[in-house]
Amino acid sequence: GNSVTQMEGPVTLSEEAFLTINCTYTATGYPSLFWYVQYPGEGLQLLLKATKADDKGSNKGFEATYRKETTSFHLEKGSVQVSDSAVYFCALRENDKIIFGKGTRLHILP
Amino acid sequence: EADIYQTPRYLVIGTGKKITLECSQTMGHDKMYWYQQDPGMELHLIHYSYGVNSTEKGDLSSESTVSRIRTEHFPLTLESARPSHTSQYLCASSADKGSGEGYTFGSGTRLTVV
Repeated sequence: GNSVTQMEGPVTLSEEAFLTINCTYTATGYPSLFWYVQYPGEGLQLLLKATKADDKGSNKGFEATYRKETTSFHLEKGSVQVSDSAVYFCALRENDKIIFGKGTRLHILP
Repeated sequence: EADIYQTPRYLVIGTGKKITLECSQTMGHDKMYWYQQDPGMELHLIHYSYGVNSTEKGDLSSESTVSRIRTEHFPLTLESARPSHTSQYLCASSADKGSGEGYTFGSGTRLTVV
């Protein structure tokens, strides 16, 4: 069946550091891929998405590229801020339901 | 502004009480979902609905029940709350436009049963 695996956290970085959160997936077909962010005490917000191979999703300085050959959708940001501290979820959708990874907690130190 | 609303945001309640968590959306979405989020952050789908009078159980067995009498409203009910029900509950909805659409989430209800 379909599944999503993302790197375990917590990830702790200093402000202005480069961020990578790894995400790989298993799917039988051609899923759409998503990154969601959850700030403390809130629900999930869609951060970015990509619907086909080689698509790059981007938002708020974050980027992720749909790599079919490596079944990956790694999240990157060139210079993180304290306000980026949150939990990040990688996810895929092939039919009606979205499958989420277990989440990666990110701490950014000033 | 179209959105999805959950009430209450926080609820502390005694064991054995009946509770209903409210979820409403103004986007006209047919598909709605309830997730339970454990302290380790993982999301577990407990109920979903594809439209009025449609409800299905999710991947994680739950003692809660749901109803979908109106498109915009998808309440979750616990007939007799127990401490094991303490968790964060997230409601979401989705347009029926294919797999390229993500879900829109509410802000969640944090339930504590004492």
